[in-house]
Amino acid sequence: KNEVEQSPQNLTAQEGEFITINCSYSVGISALHWLQQHPGGGIVSLFMLSSGKKKHGRLIATINIQEKHSSLHITASHPRDSAVYICAVEVDADKLIFGTGTRLQVFP
Amino acid sequence: DAGVIQSPRHEVTEMGQEVTLRCKPISGHNSLFWYRQTMMRGLELLIYFNNNVPIDDSGMPEDRFSAKMPNASFSTLKIQPSEPRDSAVYFCASSRTGTTKNNEQFFGPGTRLTVL
Repeated sequence: KNEVEQSPQNLTAQEGEFITINCSYSVGISALHWLQQHPGGGIVSLFMLSSGKKKHGRLIATINIQEKHSSLHITASHPRDSAVYICAVEVDADKLIFGTGTRLQVFP
Repeated sequence: DAGVIQSPRHEVTEMGQEVTLRCKPISGHNSLFWYRQTMMRGLELLIYFNNNVPIDDSGMPEDRFSAKMPNASFSTLKIQPSEPRDSAVYFCASSRTGTTKNNEQFFGPGTRLTVL
Protein backbone atom coordinates (compact mmCIF):
# COMPACT_ATOMS: atom_id res chain seq x y z
CA LYS A 1 0.00 0.00 0.00
CA ASN A 2 1.34 3.41 -0.92
CA GLU A 3 2.09 5.74 1.95
CA VAL A 4 0.27 8.57 0.16
CA GLU A 5 -2.99 7.89 -1.65
CA GLN A 6 -4.83 10.37 -3.83
CA SER A 7 -8.33 10.24 -5.21
CA PRO A 8 -9.63 10.43 -7.77
CA GLN A 9 -6.86 9.54 -10.22
CA ASN A 10 -8.65 11.35 -13.02
CA LEU A 11 -11.25 14.07 -12.85
CA THR A 12 -13.15 15.94 -15.52
CA ALA A 13 -15.32 18.97 -14.84
CA GLN A 14 -17.24 21.68 -16.59
CA GLU A 15 -16.03 25.24 -16.21
CA GLY A 16 -17.43 26.78 -13.04
CA GLU A 17 -17.74 23.54 -11.09
CA PHE A 18 -16.40 23.10 -7.56
CA ILE A 19 -13.54 20.59 -7.51
CA THR A 20 -12.29 18.46 -4.61
CA ILE A 21 -9.17 16.31 -4.66
CA ASN A 22 -8.39 14.10 -1.68
CA CYS A 23 -5.15 12.90 -0.14
CA SER A 24 -4.73 10.32 2.61
CA TYR A 25 -1.46 9.28 4.17
CA SER A 26 -0.34 6.59 6.57
CA VAL A 27 2.89 7.98 8.02
CA GLY A 28 3.75 10.62 10.58
CA ILE A 29 4.36 13.94 8.88
CA SER A 30 5.61 17.40 9.71
CA ALA A 31 3.78 19.06 6.81
CA LEU A 32 1.82 18.35 3.67
CA HIS A 33 2.40 19.94 0.28
CA TRP A 34 0.10 20.38 -2.71
CA LEU A 35 1.85 20.75 -6.04
CA GLN A 36 0.57 21.52 -9.51
CA GLN A 37 2.18 20.09 -12.62
CA HIS A 38 1.30 21.87 -15.81
CA PRO A 39 0.76 20.06 -19.11
CA GLY A 40 4.19 21.28 -20.16
CA GLY A 41 5.74 19.47 -17.20
CA GLY A 42 6.65 22.32 -14.86
CA ILE A 43 5.92 21.81 -11.15
CA VAL A 44 4.72 24.60 -8.91
CA SER A 45 4.18 24.49 -5.18
CA LEU A 46 0.63 25.55 -4.28
CA PHE A 47 0.44 25.05 -0.53
CA MET A 48 2.41 23.80 2.40
CA LEU A 49 0.35 23.21 5.52
CA SER A 50 0.64 21.43 8.84
CA SER A 51 -2.78 22.26 10.31
CA GLY A 52 -6.09 23.87 9.51
CA LYS A 53 -6.77 25.56 6.22
CA LYS A 54 -5.04 27.81 3.71
CA LYS A 55 -6.57 29.81 0.87
CA HIS A 56 -4.99 31.35 -2.19
CA GLY A 57 -7.33 32.84 -4.73
CA ARG A 58 -9.74 30.13 -5.85
CA LEU A 59 -7.71 27.38 -4.22
CA ILE A 60 -8.31 26.11 -0.69
CA ALA A 61 -6.33 23.41 1.08
CA THR A 62 -7.35 21.75 4.32
CA ILE A 63 -5.71 19.16 6.52
CA ASN A 64 -6.95 16.98 9.36
CA ILE A 65 -3.92 15.65 11.20
CA GLN A 66 -5.92 13.23 13.36
CA GLU A 67 -7.56 11.62 10.33
CA LYS A 68 -4.39 11.87 8.22
CA HIS A 69 -6.32 13.45 5.40
CA SER A 70 -6.08 16.57 3.27
CA SER A 71 -8.26 18.05 0.57
CA LEU A 72 -7.59 20.53 -2.19
CA HIS A 73 -10.59 22.50 -3.39
CA ILE A 74 -10.90 24.63 -6.50
CA THR A 75 -13.85 27.00 -6.63
CA ALA A 76 -15.27 28.27 -9.94
CA SER A 77 -12.96 25.98 -11.94
CA HIS A 78 -11.54 27.20 -15.23
CA PRO A 79 -9.91 25.39 -18.17
CA ARG A 80 -6.56 26.87 -17.14
CA ASP A 81 -6.82 24.83 -13.92
CA SER A 82 -6.32 21.70 -16.04
CA ALA A 83 -3.19 20.06 -14.67
CA VAL A 84 -1.98 17.21 -12.50
CA TYR A 85 -2.30 17.94 -8.79
CA ILE A 86 0.15 16.12 -6.55
CA CYS A 87 -0.02 15.64 -2.81
CA ALA A 88 3.27 15.17 -0.98
CA VAL A 89 3.95 14.59 2.69
CA GLU A 90 7.04 15.81 4.47
CA VAL A 91 8.78 13.22 6.64
CA ASP A 92 12.25 13.24 8.20
CA ALA A 93 12.99 16.95 7.97
CA ASP A 94 12.73 17.92 4.30
CA LYS A 95 12.12 14.54 2.68
CA LEU A 96 8.93 14.38 0.57
CA ILE A 97 6.89 11.30 -0.32
CA PHE A 98 4.57 11.87 -3.25
CA GLY A 99 1.13 10.66 -4.20
CA THR A 100 0.55 9.49 -7.74
CA GLY A 101 -1.31 12.64 -8.70
CA THR A 102 -4.80 13.57 -9.84
CA ARG A 103 -5.22 14.53 -13.47
CA LEU A 104 -7.82 17.30 -13.76
CA GLN A 105 -9.39 18.43 -17.01
CA VAL A 106 -11.78 21.36 -16.99
CA PHE A 107 -13.82 21.84 -20.14
CA PRO A 108 -15.32 25.17 -21.22
CA ASP B 1 15.58 35.55 -9.48
CA ALA B 2 15.80 33.14 -12.42
CA GLY B 3 14.49 30.23 -10.41
CA VAL B 4 16.06 26.79 -10.37
CA ILE B 5 18.03 26.22 -13.55
CA GLN B 6 18.57 22.77 -15.03
CA SER B 7 20.56 21.67 -18.03
CA PRO B 8 20.21 20.14 -20.44
CA ARG B 9 16.43 20.28 -20.88
CA HIS B 10 16.49 17.22 -23.11
CA GLU B 11 19.07 14.48 -23.41
CA VAL B 12 19.04 11.52 -25.74
CA THR B 13 21.83 9.02 -25.35
CA GLU B 14 22.69 5.43 -26.05
CA MET B 15 22.80 2.68 -23.50
CA GLY B 16 26.16 2.52 -21.78
CA GLN B 17 26.97 6.20 -22.14
CA GLU B 18 27.64 8.51 -19.21
CA VAL B 19 25.00 11.16 -18.57
CA THR B 20 25.49 14.27 -16.44
CA LEU B 21 22.57 16.42 -15.38
CA ARG B 22 23.19 19.86 -13.91
CA CYS B 23 21.33 22.08 -11.50
CA LYS B 24 21.74 25.60 -10.19
CA PRO B 25 19.53 26.25 -7.16
CA ILE B 26 17.96 29.55 -6.24
CA SER B 27 20.50 31.85 -4.62
CA GLY B 28 20.25 31.73 -0.85
CA HIS B 29 18.57 28.33 -0.73
CA ASN B 30 20.43 25.83 1.40
CA SER B 31 18.66 22.58 0.47
CA LEU B 32 18.75 20.89 -2.92
CA PHE B 33 16.76 17.88 -4.07
CA TRP B 34 17.01 15.55 -7.05
CA TYR B 35 13.80 13.79 -8.12
CA ARG B 36 12.93 11.34 -10.86
CA GLN B 37 9.49 11.13 -12.46
CA THR B 38 8.26 8.18 -14.49
CA MET B 39 4.82 7.10 -15.62
CA MET B 40 5.03 3.93 -13.57
CA ARG B 41 6.38 5.29 -10.28
CA GLY B 42 5.50 8.98 -10.32
CA LEU B 43 7.83 11.36 -8.49
CA GLU B 44 10.56 9.86 -6.33
CA LEU B 45 13.24 11.51 -4.25
CA LEU B 46 16.69 10.35 -5.30
CA ILE B 47 18.93 12.38 -2.97
CA TYR B 48 18.95 15.65 -1.13
CA PHE B 49 21.64 17.97 0.17
CA ASN B 50 21.59 20.44 2.99
CA ASN B 51 24.36 23.05 3.06
CA ASN B 52 26.11 21.08 0.28
CA VAL B 53 26.19 17.87 2.34
CA PRO B 54 24.25 14.78 1.19
CA ILE B 55 21.66 14.04 3.86
CA ASP B 56 19.64 11.17 2.41
CA ASP B 57 20.62 9.18 -0.67
CA SER B 58 18.41 6.17 0.05
CA GLY B 59 16.44 6.85 -3.12
CA MET B 60 19.43 6.51 -5.42
CA PRO B 61 18.55 3.35 -7.33
CA GLU B 62 21.99 1.80 -7.62
CA ASP B 63 25.71 2.47 -7.83
CA ARG B 64 25.38 3.71 -11.40
CA PHE B 65 23.88 6.90 -9.96
CA SER B 66 25.96 9.50 -8.17
CA ALA B 67 25.36 13.10 -7.15
CA LYS B 68 27.63 15.89 -6.02
CA MET B 69 27.23 19.41 -4.73
CA PRO B 70 30.67 21.02 -4.78
CA ASN B 71 29.31 24.43 -3.77
CA ALA B 72 26.08 26.19 -2.86
CA SER B 73 25.28 27.13 -6.44
CA PHE B 74 25.81 23.91 -8.37
CA SER B 75 24.94 20.24 -8.28
CA THR B 76 25.30 17.34 -10.68
CA LEU B 77 23.56 14.00 -11.03
CA LYS B 78 25.56 11.45 -12.99
CA ILE B 79 24.49 8.13 -14.43
CA GLN B 80 27.28 5.82 -15.57
CA PRO B 81 26.61 3.62 -17.45
CA SER B 82 23.12 4.61 -18.49
CA GLU B 83 20.39 2.05 -19.23
CA PRO B 84 17.04 2.35 -21.05
CA ARG B 85 15.17 2.01 -17.73
CA ASP B 86 16.78 5.27 -16.60
CA SER B 87 14.63 7.13 -19.12
CA ALA B 88 12.58 9.62 -17.11
CA VAL B 89 12.24 13.30 -16.29
CA TYR B 90 14.73 14.37 -13.65
CA PHE B 91 13.78 17.38 -11.54
CA CYS B 92 15.97 19.47 -9.30
CA ALA B 93 14.37 21.53 -6.55
CA SER B 94 15.69 23.87 -3.88
CA SER B 95 14.38 25.36 -0.68
CA ARG B 96 15.43 27.54 2.21
CA THR B 97 15.25 25.43 5.33
CA GLY B 98 15.81 26.46 8.89
CA THR B 99 14.04 27.21 12.12
CA THR B 100 11.06 28.88 10.47
CA LYS B 101 10.12 25.59 8.82
CA ASN B 102 8.98 27.33 5.67
CA ASN B 103 10.17 24.53 3.44
CA GLU B 104 8.42 25.35 0.18
CA GLN B 105 10.35 23.69 -2.60
CA PHE B 106 10.94 25.41 -5.92
CA PHE B 107 11.29 23.09 -8.87
CA GLY B 108 13.39 23.43 -11.96
CA PRO B 109 11.93 22.73 -15.42
CA GLY B 110 13.32 19.21 -15.46
CA THR B 111 15.60 17.27 -17.78
CA ARG B 112 13.89 14.73 -20.01
CA LEU B 113 16.32 11.83 -20.42
CA THR B 114 15.90 9.18 -23.08
CA VAL B 115 18.30 6.25 -23.12
CA LEU B 116 18.10 4.21 -26.32
